[in-house]
Amino acid sequence: DGGITQSPKYLFRKEGQNVTLSCEQNLNHDAMYWYRQDPGQGLRLIYYSQIVNDFQKGDIAEGYSVSREKKESFPLTVTSAQKNPTAFYLCASSMRGAITGELFFGEGSRLTVL
Amino acid sequence: AQSVTQLGSHVSVSEGALVLLRCNYSSSVPPYLFWYVQYPNQGLQLLLKYTSAATLVKGINGFEAEFKKSETSFHLTKPSAHMSDAAEYFCAVAYSSASKIIFGSGTRLSIRP
Repeated sequence: DGGITQSPKYLFRKEGQNVTLSCEQNLNHDAMYWYRQDPGQGLRLIYYSQIVNDFQKGDIAEGYSVSREKKESFPLTVTSAQKNPTAFYLCASSMRGAITGELFFGEGSRLTVL
Repeated sequence: AQSVTQLGSHVSVSEGALVLLRCNYSSSVPPYLFWYVQYPNQGLQLLLKYTSAATLVKGINGFEAEFKKSETSFHLTKPSAHMSDAAEYFCAVAYSSASKIIFGSGTRLSIRP
């Protein structure tokens, strides 16, 4: 079945450590996105990529980094510079230029900083 | 700035009652509008979308939404709530000049037996 796979589902990190969240899709979608979800704040866009080897900052990119070396993969690294990293992270994909279309979401990764 | 506002962070209705979740957008430019649903500890799933065709849009699970340009609204309704409708609902907006979708803060829907 086609879809988006995020891993790990749960992750614990000590302060000062970088952590990388995986996102893989087999939908043959061009565009991929990373959102952060906090209670009562909806989804906020961290980074997005419309094509391989290209990506843009979203609204809250500080303290995060991404890469897009393959169409299927869009990993997110939460660096030690992110001041409040505990959150639920969602990866999504869409056909390129799919403003009128649909975002397909993974099941999310919950990061807790101890 | 382009934005979307969901009125009410939590809505509670009885099983069988009307569900009404409110969404307003801020722009004079006609947007594309979406409603997504999220069940606990899961990703979001598209319920329905408005893309300048019919103003009344029907989605999955018996939900529908009406685009009202004069009120800049896109409220989500369902005539009769079911226990399985308990979830968080997000309104989202996108504009042809942009390349991203903006989400509202979400409304948690609870269903009373």
